[in-house]
Amino acid sequence: GDSVTQMEGPVTLSEEAFLTINCTYTATGYPSLFWYVQYPGEGLQLLLKATKADDKGSNKGFEATYRKETTSFHLEKGSVQVSDSAVYFCALILDTGRRALTFGSGTRLQVQP
Amino acid sequence: EPEVTQTPSHQVTQMGQEVILRCVPISNHLYFYWYRQILGQKVEFLVSFYNNEISEKSEIFDDQFSVERPDGSNFTLKIRSTKLEDSAMYFCAGGLLGETQYFGPGTRLLVL
Repeated sequence: GDSVTQMEGPVTLSEEAFLTINCTYTATGYPSLFWYVQYPGEGLQLLLKATKADDKGSNKGFEATYRKETTSFHLEKGSVQVSDSAVYFCALILDTGRRALTFGSGTRLQVQP
Repeated sequence: EPEVTQTPSHQVTQMGQEVILRCVPISNHLYFYWYRQILGQKVEFLVSFYNNEISEKSEIFDDQFSVERPDGSNFTLKIRSTKLEDSAMYFCAGGLLGETQYFGPGTRLLVL
């Protein structure tokens, strides 16, 4: 079945450090890929998405590139801030009409001042 | 900016009791979803709802669960007879014809 695998957390970084959170997927067909973020006490917010191979999604300094050859969608940010501390979820939707998101297990990021 | 809201934020119930979790999606959304996250585990899809009927459900969504949109604004998830393993965070989401789903803040359900 379809699945998303994320690196385990927590990831602890100092402010202004470079961030990478790895995400790989297994899917039949051609999925769209997403990163959602959950700040403490809040719901899931869409951070960025990419709908086809080689697309790059970006938002708030975060980027992720849809790599079909490695079935990956790694999240990166060049300089993290304390306010980026949250749980990050990688997810996919297939293009076959199914509308449900399949999520990874989430990666907690802690940024220290 | 419009938001998805959910009530209550927390609910504690006894095993075997019925619970109703409520969601108010963004008004122009057409597709609605419930997901849950058991503590420490993945966010899991439960059910999707479109045009006043269930369009898809997962194996988790058994006969103990039901959904309805009674008045065109609220979207509810009912668990008829709660079990200990129903303890989780329940998220409501909605969207238009497309892929982006907008999530509510969740209801934390604890079954004792």
